[in-house]
Amino acid sequence: DIRMTQSPASLSASLGETVNIECLASEDIYSDLAWYQQKPGKSPQLLIYNANSLQNGVPSRFSGSGSGTQYSLKINSLQSEDVATYFCQQYNNYPYTFGAGTKLELK
Amino acid sequence: EVQLVESGGGLVQPGRSMKLSCAASGFTFNNYDMAWVCQAPKKGLEWVATISYDGSSTYYRDSVKGRFTISRDNAKSTLYLQMDSLRSEDTATYYCARPLYNYGSPFDYWGQGVMVTVSS
Repeated sequence: DIRMTQSPASLSASLGETVNIECLASEDIYSDLAWYQQKPGKSPQLLIYNANSLQNGVPSRFSGSGSGTQYSLKINSLQSEDVATYFCQQYNNYPYTFGAGTKLELK
Repeated sequence: EVQLVESGGGLVQPGRSMKLSCAASGFTFNNYDMAWVCQAPKKGLEWVATISYDGSSTYYRDSVKGRFTISRDNAKSTLYLQMDSLRSEDTATYYCARPLYNYGSPFDYWGQGVMVTVSS
């Protein structure tokens, strides 16, 4: 199975700040990488797919980058509504696997 | 509007069975593969199973192979997950999810989730 190592596990940032979350795959996943946002009590929402493609309706302050085994999610100008847990997911091979999540809080 | 509505969860004893359903609407169901993803309480997400758009192919995570069966009824636009020989570690919220495109795709629509608690 492909292991997805996500960091940091938790993050505290101020409004307007830029935030970066990293995801390391245990093998090359050829940019088959998605990022999701999950708010408490809600279902996950797709933010980014194919490593850097913004899903329809997602604010442009979210962006993704990376290739091979290393990927990152960047949130520019942090807003209060961005407080959530973020997960990465590889879909290059079954079983699809997710990172453990990054809990983002406001400082 | 795409909607995925799960049902069938609840409390079940270890070793018993439970069947989840997911009613889909707002898109052409038989054009899409479908999947189940679970999330144990306060934990991360785990892909459980995927079924191809026509039901001809199924894929499972190792921990549920031989115990869970994913199926679909395209005439009813409904996805199912038959869960047998349930274990305490199967306790989770189960989400029905639709992929953005078929095979090798993230999930762009998720249901609200249904809780399954396996306990005596």
